[in-house]
Amino acid sequence: DQQVKQNSPSLSVQEGRISILNCDYTNSMFDYFLWYKKYPAEGPTFLISISSIKDKNEDGRFTVFLNKSAKHLSLHIVPSQPGDSAVYFCAASGSGGGADGLTFGKGTHLIIQP
Amino acid sequence: KAGVTQTPRYLIKTRGQQVTLSCSPISGHRSVSWYQQTPGQGLQFLFEYFSETQRNKGNFPGRFSGRQFSNSRSEMNVSTLELGDSALYLCASSLSSLLGTEAFFGQGTRLTVV
Repeated sequence: DQQVKQNSPSLSVQEGRISILNCDYTNSMFDYFLWYKKYPAEGPTFLISISSIKDKNEDGRFTVFLNKSAKHLSLHIVPSQPGDSAVYFCAASGSGGGADGLTFGKGTHLIIQP
Repeated sequence: KAGVTQTPRYLIKTRGQQVTLSCSPISGHRSVSWYQQTPGQGLQFLFEYFSETQRNKGNFPGRFSGRQFSNSRSEMNVSTLELGDSALYLCASSLSSLLGTEAFFGQGTRLTVV
C-alpha cells in the first residue's frame, strides 16, 4: 500500500508559468516532508522541506504548501525554467526521525516547454 | 566539501552471484541510508545505519544486508542475485538522527543482473 502518492506521472508546463506538483500521503505519523529533484543518471537532489508544524515554506522560486487535514502537500515553482525539467519526488519521514527512512512517492516527470 | 560517493557506478552480475556496493558519506555525516530505485516501485528504503548500528530496515529479504564502519563509510551486500535485483541503488547520508535532517544522495550504483 503506497503511503506517499504522486498521482501525476508527468506534467508539462510552459516556460515562465507556474508548475504545481502534488503529493498525498496516508500515514498520519508522517511529520516531515521533503521534495527531491532527479536528473537521469544522477541521485536525487534535495530541494525544499517542510515540518508539520508549518503550512508553508519558501525558498527562492520554490514554495511547498502543506495541508495536514487533507494529508496533501504541493510544490510550486515560479517561474518555471527549462532547467527545472526533471523528475520530482515527494518524500515523508515519521516521528522516528531519520531512523525510519524516507518514504518516497513514485515521482512526477516535469517537462518545461519553451 | 565532497558529496556522497558511491562505487562502482555500474555493475553487471550473473544470477546467483553476490555483490558489494560501497558508499562514502559526506564528511561529518554519521547516518547512512540505502535505497533501491526501480521503474515499477520507485525509491524504496532498504536500511539505515548510524554509528555502525543498523537502526531500521525496510521490507526486503535477508539477501540484502549492510554494514557501517567506524569512519561512517557503508557497504551494502546482496547475495544470491536475482534478475529482479536489477536497479539503481542509492546511498544517502545525513548529519544525525534528528528529525528533519535532510538526506543527501550519491549518484547511485546501477546494478544489472543477467
